[in-house]
Amino acid sequence: GAVVSQHPSWVICKSGTSVKIECRSLDFQATTMFWYRQFPKQSLMLMATSNEGSKATYEQGVEKDKFLINHASLTLSTLTVTSAHPEDSSFYICSARRGALEGYSPLHFGNGTRLTVT
Amino acid sequence: AQTVTQSQPEMSVQEAETVTLSCTYDTSESNYYLFWYKQPPSRQMILVIRQEAYKQQNATENRFSVNFQKAAKSFSLKISDSQLGDTAMYFCAFVSSNTGKLIFGQGTTLQVKP
Repeated sequence: GAVVSQHPSWVICKSGTSVKIECRSLDFQATTMFWYRQFPKQSLMLMATSNEGSKATYEQGVEKDKFLINHASLTLSTLTVTSAHPEDSSFYICSARRGALEGYSPLHFGNGTRLTVT
Repeated sequence: AQTVTQSQPEMSVQEAETVTLSCTYDTSESNYYLFWYKQPPSRQMILVIRQEAYKQQNATENRFSVNFQKAAKSFSLKISDSQLGDTAMYFCAFVSSNTGKLIFGQGTTLQVKP
Protein backbone atom coordinates (compact mmCIF):
# COMPACT_ATOMS: atom_id res chain seq x y z
CA GLY A 1 0.00 0.00 0.00
CA ALA A 2 0.90 3.65 -0.30
CA VAL A 3 3.24 4.96 2.35
CA VAL A 4 3.92 8.52 3.37
CA SER A 5 6.99 9.12 5.49
CA GLN A 6 7.33 12.18 7.69
CA HIS A 7 10.52 13.26 9.40
CA PRO A 8 11.35 14.07 12.11
CA SER A 9 8.70 12.52 14.32
CA TRP A 10 9.63 14.75 17.23
CA VAL A 11 11.65 17.95 17.45
CA ILE A 12 12.42 20.47 20.14
CA CYS A 13 13.78 23.85 19.17
CA LYS A 14 14.48 27.16 20.81
CA SER A 15 12.33 30.18 20.25
CA GLY A 16 13.49 32.19 17.25
CA THR A 17 14.97 29.29 15.32
CA SER A 18 13.58 27.57 12.24
CA VAL A 19 12.54 23.97 11.87
CA LYS A 20 12.10 21.95 8.69
CA ILE A 21 9.71 19.01 8.43
CA GLU A 22 9.91 16.62 5.49
CA CYS A 23 7.09 14.65 3.93
CA ARG A 24 7.89 11.95 1.39
CA SER A 25 5.67 9.69 -0.63
CA LEU A 26 7.65 6.46 -0.73
CA ASP A 27 5.97 4.37 -3.39
CA PHE A 28 3.96 6.81 -5.49
CA GLN A 29 4.20 10.24 -7.01
CA ALA A 30 2.18 12.96 -5.36
CA THR A 31 1.48 16.11 -7.32
CA THR A 32 -0.40 17.47 -4.35
CA MET A 33 0.31 17.19 -0.66
CA PHE A 34 -1.57 18.70 2.25
CA TRP A 35 -0.27 19.99 5.56
CA TYR A 36 -2.38 19.87 8.69
CA ARG A 37 -1.92 21.11 12.23
CA GLN A 38 -3.46 19.42 15.24
CA PHE A 39 -3.64 20.62 18.82
CA PRO A 40 -4.10 18.05 21.61
CA LYS A 41 -7.50 16.35 21.49
CA GLN A 42 -8.62 18.60 18.68
CA SER A 43 -9.28 18.22 15.00
CA LEU A 44 -6.87 18.45 12.10
CA MET A 45 -6.86 21.92 10.63
CA LEU A 46 -5.79 22.26 7.02
CA MET A 47 -2.93 24.71 6.74
CA ALA A 48 -1.99 24.59 3.09
CA THR A 49 -2.00 22.66 -0.14
CA SER A 50 1.43 21.94 -1.51
CA ASN A 51 1.65 21.77 -5.29
CA GLU A 52 4.63 20.27 -7.05
CA GLY A 53 6.46 22.89 -9.09
CA SER A 54 4.33 25.81 -7.99
CA LYS A 55 3.50 27.93 -4.99
CA ALA A 56 1.57 26.47 -2.11
CA THR A 57 -1.99 27.54 -1.48
CA TYR A 58 -2.57 28.62 2.11
CA GLU A 59 -5.80 28.49 4.04
CA GLN A 60 -7.23 31.66 5.46
CA GLY A 61 -5.48 32.76 8.61
CA VAL A 62 -2.29 30.79 7.98
CA GLU A 63 0.81 32.96 7.72
CA LYS A 64 2.64 31.97 4.56
CA ASP A 65 5.82 33.73 5.67
CA LYS A 66 5.82 31.79 8.93
CA PHE A 67 5.06 28.41 7.41
CA LEU A 68 7.12 28.02 4.27
CA ILE A 69 6.18 25.14 2.02
CA ASN A 70 8.29 23.78 -0.79
CA HIS A 71 7.25 20.95 -3.07
CA ALA A 72 10.37 20.51 -5.15
CA SER A 73 9.69 17.02 -6.49
CA LEU A 74 6.84 14.59 -6.97
CA THR A 75 7.82 12.73 -3.81
CA LEU A 76 8.91 15.45 -1.40
CA SER A 77 7.24 18.39 0.29
CA THR A 78 8.78 20.35 3.13
CA LEU A 79 7.26 22.61 5.76
CA THR A 80 9.58 25.10 7.43
CA VAL A 81 8.41 26.84 10.56
CA THR A 82 10.38 30.05 10.58
CA SER A 83 11.28 32.03 13.70
CA ALA A 84 9.39 29.55 15.80
CA HIS A 85 7.62 30.66 18.97
CA PRO A 86 6.06 28.60 21.77
CA GLU A 87 2.59 29.10 20.26
CA ASP A 88 3.81 27.21 17.17
CA SER A 89 4.18 24.11 19.32
CA SER A 90 1.80 21.57 17.86
CA PHE A 91 1.46 18.30 15.97
CA TYR A 92 1.97 18.70 12.23
CA ILE A 93 0.76 16.04 9.80
CA CYS A 94 1.30 15.79 6.09
CA SER A 95 -0.77 13.80 3.64
CA ALA A 96 -0.71 12.90 0.00
CA ARG A 97 -3.06 11.55 -2.61
CA ARG A 98 -1.79 9.23 -5.27
CA GLY A 99 -2.03 10.54 -8.83
CA ALA A 100 -4.67 12.95 -10.01
CA LEU A 101 -6.77 15.14 -7.78
CA GLU A 102 -9.48 12.55 -7.37
CA GLY A 103 -11.55 13.22 -4.31
CA TYR A 104 -12.48 9.62 -3.89
CA SER A 105 -8.91 8.46 -3.51
CA PRO A 106 -8.20 8.66 0.18
CA LEU A 107 -5.37 10.67 1.56
CA HIS A 108 -2.40 8.77 2.93
CA PHE A 109 -1.04 10.34 6.07
CA GLY A 110 2.42 10.62 7.51
CA ASN A 111 2.99 9.71 11.14
CA GLY A 112 3.15 13.34 12.15
CA THR A 113 5.75 15.60 13.75
CA ARG A 114 5.47 16.81 17.31
CA LEU A 115 7.07 20.26 17.50
CA THR A 116 7.93 21.78 20.85
CA VAL A 117 9.29 25.30 20.94
CA THR A 118 10.96 26.31 24.18
CA ALA B 1 -17.49 26.87 2.43
CA GLN B 2 -17.92 23.34 3.59
CA THR B 3 -18.29 22.49 7.26
CA VAL B 4 -18.34 19.20 9.12
CA THR B 5 -19.89 18.88 12.56
CA GLN B 6 -19.50 16.09 15.07
CA SER B 7 -21.66 16.86 18.07
CA GLN B 8 -20.43 14.07 20.35
CA PRO B 9 -17.03 14.96 21.86
CA GLU B 10 -16.79 11.71 23.81
CA MET B 11 -18.55 8.36 23.78
CA SER B 12 -18.06 5.01 25.43
CA VAL B 13 -19.30 1.53 24.65
CA GLN B 14 -18.95 -1.89 26.19
CA GLU B 15 -16.90 -4.43 24.35
CA ALA B 16 -18.98 -6.44 21.83
CA GLU B 17 -21.75 -3.86 21.76
CA THR B 18 -22.74 -1.48 18.98
CA VAL B 19 -22.15 2.26 18.91
CA THR B 20 -23.10 5.00 16.44
CA LEU B 21 -21.10 8.17 15.91
CA SER B 22 -22.89 11.16 14.43
CA CYS B 23 -21.75 13.54 11.72
CA THR B 24 -23.45 16.27 9.76
CA TYR B 25 -22.02 18.43 7.04
CA ASP B 26 -22.92 21.46 5.03
CA THR B 27 -22.14 22.05 1.39
CA SER B 28 -23.70 23.49 -1.71
CA GLU B 29 -21.84 21.07 -3.96
CA SER B 30 -23.46 18.05 -5.52
CA ASN B 31 -20.36 15.95 -6.12
CA TYR B 32 -18.34 15.09 -3.06
CA TYR B 33 -17.03 12.27 -0.93
CA LEU B 34 -17.28 11.47 2.75
CA PHE B 35 -14.87 9.58 4.96
CA TRP B 36 -14.43 8.35 8.48
CA TYR B 37 -10.88 8.28 9.80
CA LYS B 38 -9.64 6.77 13.02
CA GLN B 39 -6.76 8.21 15.07
CA PRO B 40 -5.56 5.86 17.83
CA PRO B 41 -3.18 7.02 20.58
CA SER B 42 -0.28 6.56 18.15
CA ARG B 43 -1.84 9.49 16.23
CA GLN B 44 -1.56 7.70 12.91
CA MET B 45 -4.56 8.52 10.74
CA ILE B 46 -6.30 5.37 9.52
CA LEU B 47 -9.06 5.27 6.92
CA VAL B 48 -12.10 3.44 8.25
CA ILE B 49 -14.69 3.82 5.49
CA ARG B 50 -15.64 6.06 2.57
CA GLN B 51 -18.80 6.99 0.70
CA GLU B 52 -19.44 8.62 -2.65
CA ALA B 53 -22.23 11.17 -2.47
CA TYR B 54 -23.83 9.98 -5.70
CA LYS B 55 -24.26 6.45 -4.35
CA GLN B 56 -27.40 5.81 -2.37
CA GLN B 57 -26.20 2.51 -1.02
CA ASN B 58 -24.56 2.79 2.36
CA ALA B 59 -20.93 1.72 2.51
CA THR B 60 -19.87 -1.16 4.75
CA GLU B 61 -16.45 -2.45 5.77
CA ASN B 62 -16.63 -5.51 8.00
CA ARG B 63 -17.85 -4.25 11.40
CA PHE B 64 -18.11 -0.67 10.19
CA SER B 65 -21.05 0.75 8.29
CA VAL B 66 -22.45 4.16 7.55
CA ASN B 67 -25.92 5.65 7.41
CA PHE B 68 -25.73 8.22 4.65
CA GLN B 69 -28.70 10.56 4.44
CA LYS B 70 -27.89 12.96 1.62
CA ALA B 71 -30.96 15.17 1.94
CA ALA B 72 -30.34 15.60 5.65
CA LYS B 73 -26.59 15.92 5.07
CA SER B 74 -25.94 13.30 7.68
CA PHE B 75 -23.21 10.65 7.66
CA SER B 76 -23.14 8.52 10.81
CA LEU B 77 -20.77 5.64 11.54
CA LYS B 78 -21.93 2.43 13.17
CA ILE B 79 -19.40 0.14 14.80
CA SER B 80 -20.70 -3.34 15.54
CA ASP B 81 -19.18 -5.85 17.92
CA SER B 82 -16.91 -3.16 19.37
CA GLN B 83 -13.37 -4.23 20.20
CA LEU B 84 -10.83 -2.77 22.58
CA GLY B 85 -8.70 -1.84 19.58
CA ASP B 86 -11.48 0.43 18.36
CA THR B 87 -10.61 2.88 21.15
CA ALA B 88 -9.53 6.01 19.29
CA MET B 89 -10.56 9.43 18.13
CA TYR B 90 -12.84 9.25 15.10
CA PHE B 91 -13.04 12.00 12.52
CA CYS B 92 -15.71 12.52 9.92
CA ALA B 93 -14.33 14.20 6.81
CA PHE B 94 -15.57 15.79 3.60
CA VAL B 95 -13.82 16.11 0.26
CA SER B 96 -15.01 18.33 -2.53
CA SER B 97 -14.46 16.88 -5.97
CA ASN B 98 -13.53 20.40 -7.08
CA THR B 99 -10.73 21.12 -4.63
CA GLY B 100 -9.68 17.73 -3.30
CA LYS B 101 -9.25 19.27 0.15
CA LEU B 102 -10.11 17.01 3.07
CA ILE B 103 -12.00 18.92 5.76
CA PHE B 104 -12.39 17.27 9.16
CA GLY B 105 -15.03 17.47 11.84
CA GLN B 106 -14.12 18.14 15.45
CA GLY B 107 -13.72 14.48 16.27
CA THR B 108 -15.33 12.03 18.68
CA THR B 109 -13.23 10.22 21.26
CA LEU B 110 -14.50 6.68 21.59
CA GLN B 111 -13.57 4.46 24.48
CA VAL B 112 -14.37 0.76 24.37
CA LYS B 113 -14.64 -0.69 27.84
CA PRO B 114 -13.90 -4.31 28.70
